[in-house]
Amino acid sequence: AQSVAQPEDQVNVAEGNPLTVKCTYSVSGNPYLFWYVQYPNRGLQFLLKYITGDNLVKGSYGFEAEFNKSQTSFHLKKPSALVSDSALYFCAVRDGRDYKLSFGAGTTVTVRA
Amino acid sequence: EAEVAQSPRYKITEKSQAVAFWCDPISGHATLYWYRQILGQGPELLVQFQDESVVDDSQLPKDRFSAERLKGVDSTLKIQPAELGDSAMYLCASSSEVRSTIYFGEGSWLTVV
Repeated sequence: AQSVAQPEDQVNVAEGNPLTVKCTYSVSGNPYLFWYVQYPNRGLQFLLKYITGDNLVKGSYGFEAEFNKSQTSFHLKKPSALVSDSALYFCAVRDGRDYKLSFGAGTTVTVRA
Repeated sequence: EAEVAQSPRYKITEKSQAVAFWCDPISGHATLYWYRQILGQGPELLVQFQDESVVDDSQLPKDRFSAERLKGVDSTLKIQPAELGDSAMYLCASSSEVRSTIYFGEGSWLTVV
């Protein structure tokens, strides 16, 4: 079985500071990893994914994520956070041999001006 | 930019009534998903279609929920009778093939009173 853990329910940062949202995963095969963002009363927007290749993946809106196989982590990062980055962020994993996408519980990010 | 279309965005229904949600995936996407997202949690897969065929409905409460994708394009998710615990956001999503990125619609909020 595959699973995702987002250890922090909430992350608070000041605008202009670096933002990190943590994610660890568990799969039996090769992991396909995704980050999505959700604004209030909206659907999920795709940010970035890791399938294979470089461990550092760049995505939309200046976000990037680093795949670390030994630590089974896929943390989302942004060098300089904006107030508009305040939202709910979901990490998701799919086993490379399977199609089912499993989501974490989400992390609420608040960026204060 | 192509989007997954869903309707209605908001629905309030009384307990024991029937309710239906409609989804039109991104053009050309063969795989369609219905997810349920309870407030404060990550999305959970209800049913997955490959073209017009159901691939996975293991988490669909089949005594009251049904889903169809008759021509392999748009899809309808029905709940009859609705129960208070069905209050949630119902998200439709699609992907070009089983292992590619999943794109979500804006969701349909259901409140059962």
